[in-house]
Amino acid sequence: DTAVSQTPKYLVTQMGNDKSIKCEQNLGHDTMYWYKQDSKKFLKIMFSYNNKELIINETVPNRFSPKSPDKAHLNLHINSLELGDSAVYFCASSQAMNTEAFFGQGTRLTVV
Amino acid sequence: QQQVKQSPQSLIVQKGGISIINCAYENTAFDYFPWYQQFPGKGPALLIAIRPDVSEKKEGRFTISFNKSAKQFSLHIMDSQPGDSATYFCAARGGSTLGRLYFGRGTQLTVWP
Repeated sequence: DTAVSQTPKYLVTQMGNDKSIKCEQNLGHDTMYWYKQDSKKFLKIMFSYNNKELIINETVPNRFSPKSPDKAHLNLHINSLELGDSAVYFCASSQAMNTEAFFGQGTRLTVV
Repeated sequence: QQQVKQSPQSLIVQKGGISIINCAYENTAFDYFPWYQQFPGKGPALLIAIRPDVSEKKEGRFTISFNKSAKQFSLHIMDSQPGDSATYFCAARGGSTLGRLYFGRGTQLTVWP
């Protein structure tokens, strides 16, 4: 009954590969986010969707593409992975854009 | 540009002591200031939050003090316990941020027995 679930929890892949991270929330929330946490634990937003519509698209390489098939899902696809993409990626959701955000457990991506 | 500045980077407190973490912001449009707690291998979890119309909010052993004129807010953990050992993040949101949370860089708290 996890509120915000991400898969996989760990992802190790080689440079140049394409990978996806999936996120699902069962809270009935309208807004979903992707945050990146770097090696120094700094958290920064990447994207947000509200009712499947892209609301925030921070300065993120075009290799990163979010997709929201429905309000409960927000997936993150990454093309041509680079060493610098290694980080922990967190999915989050909130009822609306100005309400409390709930975070998933994170996906630790390691690019070798 | 760092929207929210947090200090200290790390904090070691004896069990039963008071842990204090400070944050400062510049954007006066911010109107929501949450604190998140993160354990290793877990996602950040909301601990307590405050809006600028009050100067203090207390929930159990956790208190937020807010100084609107100074644009500063702090987290106080009373009677700190080893189970409180975690990374704490302050954050801010509001105005035209469209729900975007701006996080401080985190404070690694260690409470030793």
